[in-house]
Amino acid sequence: DAKTTQPPSMDCAEGRAANLPCNHSTISGNEYVYWYRQIHSQGPQYIIHGLKNNETNEMASLIITEDRKSSTLILPHATLRDTAVYYCIVREETSGSRLTFGEGTQLTVNP
Amino acid sequence: GAGVSQSPSNKVTEKGKDVELRCDPISGHTALYWYRQSLGQGLEFLIYFQGNSAPDKSGLPSDRFSAERTGGSVSTLTIQRTQQEDSAVYLCASSLFRAAGELFFGEGSRLTVL
Repeated sequence: DAKTTQPPSMDCAEGRAANLPCNHSTISGNEYVYWYRQIHSQGPQYIIHGLKNNETNEMASLIITEDRKSSTLILPHATLRDTAVYYCIVREETSGSRLTFGEGTQLTVNP
Repeated sequence: GAGVSQSPSNKVTEKGKDVELRCDPISGHTALYWYRQSLGQGLEFLIYFQGNSAPDKSGLPSDRFSAERTGGSVSTLTIQRTQQEDSAVYLCASSLFRAAGELFFGEGSRLTVL
């Protein structure tokens, strides 16, 4: 799986959009970008994934650059409950290998 | 329930004792992972089962750690002769092979070794 790079921490004001970047410059053509988050004391939670088109679901939007070397997870109206560690992972959709998590980004949403 | 189930949710044991942690994955999920997370740390990969393939044990920290997955479903993580540094939350996750990046996590088993 390709390596990803994320900032260690970010802050966001409640009600504003949170934009979480991820670099994955070595991503291969069949690897997807996945985002997870882990709220304190809970197991990680899948958020969204995409290959090359932008994706949106009820939780977030995922913007992938045209060259696929970076992406941004957008939480359009951040709430205090969105405070968590956010992980960006790249992986083939069908894979027989393990999935590893990096350090992620600690997002703190402030009132 | 339909999610990943782990037991016990909390376990306190004495140094030197053996412990078993159980994971019941989502029905039909062929992939099963064990991770551990020490206080304030990231997710540490331990072991990965995929169908009938040989498990990837490369993350197990020592030979005191072992895991089994019987019948392609329930998995047990065993820690022998526990040490204080084994104290952590042990997380299990499962996924479909065709959706290998979408892991569903259990709530974890918190192990405290006194």
